[in-house]
Amino acid sequence: IVLTQSPGTLSLSPGERATLSCRASQSVSNNYLAWYQQKPGQAPRFLIYGASSRATGIPDRFSGSGSGTDFTLTISRLEPEDFAVYYCQQSGDSPYTFGQGTKLEFK
Amino acid sequence: EVQVVDSGGGLVQPGGSLRLSCAASGFTFNMFIISWVRQAPGKGLEWVSAISGSGGSTYHADSVKGRFTISRDNSKNTVYLQMNSLRAEDTAVYYCATVNRGAGYYFEYWGQGALVTVSS
Repeated sequence: IVLTQSPGTLSLSPGERATLSCRASQSVSNNYLAWYQQKPGQAPRFLIYGASSRATGIPDRFSGSGSGTDFTLTISRLEPEDFAVYYCQQSGDSPYTFGQGTKLEFK
Repeated sequence: EVQVVDSGGGLVQPGGSLRLSCAASGFTFNMFIISWVRQAPGKGLEWVSAISGSGGSTYHADSVKGRFTISRDNSKNTVYLQMNSLRAEDTAVYYCATVNRGAGYYFEYWGQGALVTVSS
């Protein structure tokens, strides 16, 4: 399954709402879709699984939604530490694949 | 507290070999699948290999099948990735990660990464 993320880069300011998209080339079984955050020089951080469940310790300003082939990560009010690259990943079908990433940058 | 530490990266010539190690603590090690995920410079994430908790089942991406071997020593809480016949396109940061199979197959806790550079 090929995952296509959009936009490639999103320029926003702290306090604004961010909406990131992940589209799959075919339906993701059981909506097994996850999101990760990666900052420069760091390992990815696990954020969301099952399309909409937050991982342990993830703030509630992060939310996931969607089903089938269209999924969204929303950050309700951006904090300075949220500016990073975000990846989606599907595990509905092997091999488990990642999207190419969306860079969230300061406007 | 869960801790995952990758090590063993370095510079190797094309056709050469390298072994990465992943030491973990803070959880019942033999109960968890462990995976390797890599990231080429400036690129996205690619799943590479995985091994079951017992070590009895292993999985590799097509891009490394026949060249990479994943193994584990549960007495040492360590997973290894033996990389042979290395190519320039294998240059990447290699991350070890625990797998959460609660609702899907997710990479929950990650090591800091080990840089592998394949170059003459």
